[in-house]
Amino acid sequence: QLALTQSPSASASLGASVKLTCTLSSGHSSYAIAWHQQQPEKGPRYLMTVNSDGSHNKGDGVPDRFSGSSSGTERYLTISSLQSDDEADYYCQTWSTGINWVFGGGTKLTVL
Amino acid sequence: QVQLVESGGGVVQPGRSLRLSCAASGFTFSSYGMHWVRQAPGKGLEWVAVISYDGSSKDYADSVKGRFTISRDNSKNTLYVQMNSLRAEDTAVYYCAKETTWGQGTLVTVSS
Repeated sequence: QLALTQSPSASASLGASVKLTCTLSSGHSSYAIAWHQQQPEKGPRYLMTVNSDGSHNKGDGVPDRFSGSSSGTERYLTISSLQSDDEADYYCQTWSTGINWVFGGGTKLTVL
Repeated sequence: QVQLVESGGGVVQPGRSLRLSCAASGFTFSSYGMHWVRQAPGKGLEWVAVISYDGSSKDYADSVKGRFTISRDNSKNTLYVQMNSLRAEDTAVYYCAKETTWGQGTLVTVSS
């Protein structure tokens, strides 16, 4: 069964870097995932797609501080030079049976 | 610019029906599969339904299968979801989305 697992919370200091992890269920290491950001009281925003080889394609206007990478069944979102408005919920999403979407539970990022 | 604008949300009694709309602009609507995703208060994102670019293929989350119907009118650049037999647990903000774009959401509250 395809599933995505995310830690419920993460924190890092202003100006520092943080690496968020999204883990694909066993047997799905070839799957790409997408990262979406949801700031408080706002709708989600697409950030990027991360492929199994670690390559990533960012959405329009996404700052260079955001990058993606991959290792096995893990997909990562790294945010460098953290800013206060990076404080948000981050969701990973993948594709099941071609066109359906599956979401991870989300990670709430706190910028200290 | 690429934009998705949802409408049709509101307060509805359990067991009643509601139809949401999503007006698309800034891209070739008829070329893209489209999704509905919802978010219950304080919860994460839940995928609801998908429709292929031409409407020939549809799929639903188990939680709404048999009660919700997704459709589209490519001549009007509009996506719909007909929601029947609504339950309290359907209370959520409903977002329409394509691969890299989200709407701002519309709130559906199911309550007597």
